[in-house]
Amino acid sequence: GAVVSQHPSWVICKSGTSVKIECRSLDFQATTMFWYRQFPKQSLMLMATSNEGSKATYEQGVEKDKFLINHASLTLSTLTVTSAHPEDSSFYICSAREYRQQETQYFGPGTRLLVL
Amino acid sequence: GQNIDQPTEMTATEGAIVQINCTYQTSGFNGLFWYQQHAGEAPTFLSYNVLDGLEEKGRFSSFLSRSKGYSYLLLKELQMKDSASYLCAVMDSNYQLIWGAGTKLIIKP
Repeated sequence: GAVVSQHPSWVICKSGTSVKIECRSLDFQATTMFWYRQFPKQSLMLMATSNEGSKATYEQGVEKDKFLINHASLTLSTLTVTSAHPEDSSFYICSAREYRQQETQYFGPGTRLLVL
Repeated sequence: GQNIDQPTEMTATEGAIVQINCTYQTSGFNGLFWYQQHAGEAPTFLSYNVLDGLEEKGRFSSFLSRSKGYSYLLLKELQMKDSASYLCAVMDSNYQLIWGAGTKLIIKP
């Protein structure tokens, strides 16, 4: 099946710093990528949807200036958590979808962020 | 509004059978998914139903009734490694996934 990678898998940073997470589709062109956040013992929460070459669509309550998403190519999307604070500590997961397979999302392995 | 309901937690015995139910109300329907998620890991795809009926895949089966807004995931011959959260998700008319809160399945020896 299709493979989606995320980098880094783990990141620990100080409060106030910015963290960039990369999501790559390795063997297909991802016209749409999704960014999720998951707190312990809770379900996935969709943060934003990004289509290649256009601005991301953010879910209600997600600050677009804090969570910057760039989907500059058909294989790469990045999520930057700007001025991270301890409450941003979470598990961030991306998923990617190919244009011809609207019903299928392939998930990356996730990035665990800990802000001290 | 859109809503996906599934039990919070279930317990079953190794070797037994368990059925995890999911009911949904969404704006449009483009299929229902079941994912398995082990603690600390991303979800992994288990099944996709878009037509009514039962889809069998090894020890796992998934059933869908669109008229009732209902699905279940059936796990047979339970193994300890099946202990995980099982997420039900429905794809709406915009091809967006609407997620349930997940069912934590605990397998006891």
